[in-house]
Amino acid sequence: AQTIHQWPVAEIKAVGSPLSLGCTIKGKSSPNLYWYWQATGGTLQQLFYSITVGQVESVVQLNLSASRPKDDQFILSTEKLLLSHSGFYLCAWSLRTGGYEQYFGPGTRLTVL
Amino acid sequence: GEQVEQLPSILRVQEGSSASINCSYEDSASNYFPWYKQEPGENPKLIIDIRSNMERKQIQELIVLLDKKAKRFSLHITDTQPGDSAMYFCAASTGNYKYVFGAGTRLKVIA
Repeated sequence: AQTIHQWPVAEIKAVGSPLSLGCTIKGKSSPNLYWYWQATGGTLQQLFYSITVGQVESVVQLNLSASRPKDDQFILSTEKLLLSHSGFYLCAWSLRTGGYEQYFGPGTRLTVL
Repeated sequence: GEQVEQLPSILRVQEGSSASINCSYEDSASNYFPWYKQEPGENPKLIIDIRSNMERKQIQELIVLLDKKAKRFSLHITDTQPGDSAMYFCAASTGNYKYVFGAGTRLKVIA
């Protein structure tokens, strides 16, 4: 069975500091991977998607970047956090072929002070 | 780009009655419509979905209807229970790895 793990579980960071969030999926070969952001009480906003190692597409610009260094790993980062970056960051996966269904990881709660 | 409107934002129903959530989309190329349930502090869980080659899909007490002409789709929860209380999100995708979510509906089932 596939498992999706996100780290850290929660983070409190200062404005202007760097950030790195990680996502790992096990049990699925070459999945499509996605990053989402959710403000408290808000909807899900897709940030990035990746269909293969080393290739990441941006969906919306929020002063964030993403990378896929390994087939099962997806990283979200920024060099300078803004207050507006606070929220719930969710990684999701879908099957490489015919993979419309998305399944979300447990998420990372980020508070920027 | 695609936009998805979801209504109502808040829905209160009596236990045992039905709950209906409606979504509309703009891009006629959208061909996949999932629904997610999210409990407080948790990640969204996929509960049911429908593709554009279908008009109706049912999984136990969940029914999804799709009207491609009107660009509308809806979720119906029959015989609601307190455990159905949660946030529900609809979404639409054109199959290009991009997904657009509705604003969400907070469902409260009153015992």
